[in-house]
Amino acid sequence: AQKVTQAQTEISVVEKEDVTLDCVYETRDTTYYLFWYKQPPSGELVFLIRRNSFDEQNEISGRYSWNFQKSTSSFNFTITASQVVDSAVYFCALKMEGGKLIFGQGTELSVKP
Amino acid sequence: DSGVTQTPKHLITATGQRVTLRCSPRSGDLSVYWYQQSLDQGLQFLIQYYNGEERAKGNILERFSAQQFPDLHSELNLSSLELGDSALYFCASSVSLAGAPPSYNEQFFGPGTRLTVL
Repeated sequence: AQKVTQAQTEISVVEKEDVTLDCVYETRDTTYYLFWYKQPPSGELVFLIRRNSFDEQNEISGRYSWNFQKSTSSFNFTITASQVVDSAVYFCALKMEGGKLIFGQGTELSVKP
Repeated sequence: DSGVTQTPKHLITATGQRVTLRCSPRSGDLSVYWYQQSLDQGLQFLIQYYNGEERAKGNILERFSAQQFPDLHSELNLSSLELGDSALYFCASSVSLAGAPPSYNEQFFGPGTRLTVL
């Protein structure tokens, strides 16, 4: 069965701290795609990153970085020097052939000034 | 702004009623997906259409139906509404790259329709 687990329901940090959001996935597919989305308090879902199953290179985009490890079926997301505007719910998602996304339960990140 | 539009933004109705949610995908996107976000179930895939045809079905109730029209906009119809149908309903669309499988493309989400059933 395909499944995404985000074990951290809520995380609270103080501004400028680094924070890592964990994501563990399960799939039998050999080709799959992983995503991270951000849902700010306004409610919309904002696409952050896509990673293909055959590309294990880590990626950095500004203060954001992603660590994809097939050996542990994990796709973790790190925010460096967090800011109050990073406060949101973050979703990890798995996409298989056919296109539908399977989302984790989300991690609510609260960054306090 | 993702380029995906959804109307209405908010909808308040009573149990037993029927509502229609509308989605306009990004220009050029052939795939439309519907998702439901509720407190107890989280974000769940409902149904996907590709160029007017149903492509995949998820945990969509029989009381719910959808279609995609020739101009590629989509509607999600919810009938015999129950209190538990109260949720945020998202539409997403994805671009179709020539030669790439539809699953390759990231999905861009609309702002959602918040449905409240009283």
